[in-house]
Amino acid sequence: GAGVSQSPSNKVTEKGKDVELRCDPISGHTALYWYRQSLGQGLEFLIYFQGNSAPDKSGLPSDRFSAERTGGSVSTLTIQRTQQEDSAVYLCASSFASAGYEQYFGPGTRLTVT
Amino acid sequence: KQEVTQIPAALSVPEGENLVLNCSFTDSAIYNLQWFRQDPGKGLTSLLLIQSSQREQTSGRLNASLDKSSGRSTLYIAASQPGDSATYLCAGSPKTSYDKVIFGPGTSLSVIP
Repeated sequence: GAGVSQSPSNKVTEKGKDVELRCDPISGHTALYWYRQSLGQGLEFLIYFQGNSAPDKSGLPSDRFSAERTGGSVSTLTIQRTQQEDSAVYLCASSFASAGYEQYFGPGTRLTVT
Repeated sequence: KQEVTQIPAALSVPEGENLVLNCSFTDSAIYNLQWFRQDPGKGLTSLLLIQSSQREQTSGRLNASLDKSSGRSTLYIAASQPGDSATYLCAGSPKTSYDKVIFGPGTSLSVIP
């Protein structure tokens, strides 16, 4: 019964480098969400996966951001050519239809771009 | 476009007080509604989920209700404690897309000992 896990918990990178953030959802959860939370701000939706359907990418801020979900489980959020404004906490959540789509969040990855 | 407001933005109360946090959706067609708390530097912890067939949920000192005709929800915290200090966020799923979730900006609560 592990919850949602994310790795790494903290990532410091230089401007212009690529980073990959990982999310392991709760086993059996078909829906997976990525959000971004900048310092002192609310949650910003990034991307949403539901089963085998095409992901909803409507929240991705630029084409430097992409995400994939392999085998309907683990997801990776990739940010290419990082910029300082990408610094934020990236949160992942998963849910399941039979649980009324109640969202369970991971602890987040704090990304700092120097 | 569905938007969510939370009132007040910040609240400071002495320990022991009962308090109410408010959440409002511009489109009242809500499928389900969830309240979360977020401690500084931490992720979100789910507190209560009001599903489509429900009007309210209770857990310990917390009670959440949803008025589906107006799209308004309240979170009631009884006998507040310093450990309740956190940011409280509401999030709702629209009936037109019930697996999507829209978050409010949060209410920052401080309970003074």
